[in-house]
Amino acid sequence: DSGVTQTPKHLITATGQRVTLRCSPRSGDLSVYWYQQSLDQGLQFLIQYYNGEERAKGNILERFSAQQFPDLHSELNLSSLELGDSALYFCASNRGTSGRDTQYFGPGTRLTVL
Amino acid sequence: KNEVEQSPQNLTAQEGEFITINCSYSVGISALHWLQQHPGGGIVSLFMLSSGKKKHGRLIATINIQEKHSSLHITASHPRDSAVYICAAHSGGGADGLTFGKGTHLIIQP
Repeated sequence: DSGVTQTPKHLITATGQRVTLRCSPRSGDLSVYWYQQSLDQGLQFLIQYYNGEERAKGNILERFSAQQFPDLHSELNLSSLELGDSALYFCASNRGTSGRDTQYFGPGTRLTVL
Repeated sequence: KNEVEQSPQNLTAQEGEFITINCSYSVGISALHWLQQHPGGGIVSLFMLSSGKKKHGRLIATINIQEKHSSLHITASHPRDSAVYICAAHSGGGADGLTFGKGTHLIIQP
């Protein structure tokens, strides 16, 4: 158990809908990273937050957004969903500001868009 | 943008065999991570390397910065080592995400 929690575990929705994925980092960790894992693209970095502020952006679509709250939990919002958004979404956390350091991964949220 | 290549894509071996998984990357990095993903989907960080070699139990990871290459070795492999092994490069310089290889799907047969 990494200490990182994600909810929900599974999510099934329809095209055009909007969903919110939630992540709680390990106690004491200030950075949260979001990743998408799809069959064709593999794992891709989406975005990083550190202590409430956006720190780095990867291949995140404009339809997707994220935020980190004062209690350090983070939410990833996916809107106008398309079939291709079906994937596993992971969050990870670590103590410092850098993705260079060991990251602790949550169990993931499996999103299915029908 | 860093390109990360892994080989082999798939590997089936017998219990007890010595396993090597390779990872190469195209541009300089600040760190290289090895991750393990089990059939249930969970991801565990195995190693973070910036130089040299690290060992944890039966797992050994090495990196050659000049050659832009890293290897993950498993000694005395066991069926419970069956998983997908993923290498990921951290390029640094403000681009703080990881760039991932496609993974090596390892099956250890009893």
